[in-house]
Amino acid sequence: NAGVTQTPKFQVLKTGQSMTLQCAQDMNHNSMYWYRQDPGMGLRLIYYSASEGTTDKGEVPNGYNVSRLNKREFSLRLESAAPSQTSVYFCASSTEISNQPQHFGDGTRLSIL
Amino acid sequence: SQQGEEDPQALSIQEGENATMNCSYKTSINNLQWYRQNSGRGLVHLILIRSNEREKHSGRLRVTLDTSKKSSSLLITASRAADTASYFCPPMGVTGGGNKLTFGTGTQLKVEL
Repeated sequence: NAGVTQTPKFQVLKTGQSMTLQCAQDMNHNSMYWYRQDPGMGLRLIYYSASEGTTDKGEVPNGYNVSRLNKREFSLRLESAAPSQTSVYFCASSTEISNQPQHFGDGTRLSIL
Repeated sequence: SQQGEEDPQALSIQEGENATMNCSYKTSINNLQWYRQNSGRGLVHLILIRSNEREKHSGRLRVTLDTSKKSSSLLITASRAADTASYFCPPMGVTGGGNKLTFGTGTQLKVEL
């Protein structure tokens, strides 16, 4: 049981390049989330998808776009990468039922030069 | 959604000792969750405690919740080197926000041999 799988695990980009981070879950969860984690800070929500076909902005959505491709997959796109987007990105999923935890992938470490 | 504030920021103990970390939040909650993050990995869910529960156990973990003080604690008994990690306590609010969570900066626990 893979849970939440993120690809790639590491990536280095140059300023201005574009990139799509992939996330897939095999737990039949309706809800999926993208977070970023910077040193000394907690995880901050970028975008989330409460169910297939819907997406909503989180706390720090600027510079990002998302696509809920199907129930399993939720991708995060950087159209024009900036050094401020250097971070570790985590994808998570959960059921839509309350009082249920989120399940996290192991992250994508992204450096933008 | 509101975030939990973990305290202390850092904690260093010897293997075999107990570790206690605290969490405070500001408004009424539906539940409060504890997560662990080992270095370089994603978050792992430990325990979810509902607002009508006062204490919950899972193996060496004991979580308490005091809704009158808007606080929770996580006790790890007989700590091991493998418990070295960051610990987070995002609360889930009563109204709105879906299953979104907001994370604080965590407590960094170091268990020394």
